[in-house]
Amino acid sequence: GQQLNQSPQSMFIQEGEDVSMNCTSSSIFNTWLWYKQDPGEGPVLLIALYKAGELTSNGRLTAQFGITRKDSFLNISASIPSDVGIYFCAGQLYGGATNKLIFGTGTLLAVQP
Amino acid sequence: DTEVTQTPKHLVMGMTNKKSLKCEQHMGHRAMYWYKQKAKKPPELMFVYSYEKLSINESVPSRFSPECPNSSLLNLHLHALQPEDSALYLCASSQDMEGGYNQPQHFGDGTRLSIL
Repeated sequence: GQQLNQSPQSMFIQEGEDVSMNCTSSSIFNTWLWYKQDPGEGPVLLIALYKAGELTSNGRLTAQFGITRKDSFLNISASIPSDVGIYFCAGQLYGGATNKLIFGTGTLLAVQP
Repeated sequence: DTEVTQTPKHLVMGMTNKKSLKCEQHMGHRAMYWYKQKAKKPPELMFVYSYEKLSINESVPSRFSPECPNSSLLNLHLHALQPEDSALYLCASSQDMEGGYNQPQHFGDGTRLSIL
């Protein structure tokens, strides 16, 4: 199925470093979402973006909805070991109560204490 | 803690068995979803139910049969599965549109399915 281009594919960083990842698409989306998935668990919603240009923070996380509506980035500041996991972006297509998510390919984040 | 509950957490079955996966949410959401996820890959949409009616089937083989008995429950009936069907099966739910925006999907922790 369709997937979004997400980069980088993986990151190995030291605790305390800042992290940046992004997603791009050839299609326009109405909503951009960022999820984190830990091993053995389902994706957990981190941030939802609803308007082009919107910049939203959730603690140490900041995400932006690109002006063209075709891209989004997620920044994590001052990383800690529990930030380890796979991060997925997802573009959401307009569809009333049954919205369809198109997922990015994922970014694997490893944080060394 | 997730508000979408999936059971069982793990399931091992043979190719001739019949089993069911269950999903429950009590958030009043009117759309529910089944996804299949292979290791280190993003979830892949299988089915969408809206107001207890099947609205999307992503060309899923008939050995997977979804059912939505009521607005809080979603089942996935399994029969004659193949080894390549081994994966994490995720359930998700979402609310109706509010304020003109689609509401995000919330996921359960999944059922880890292994086909022998």
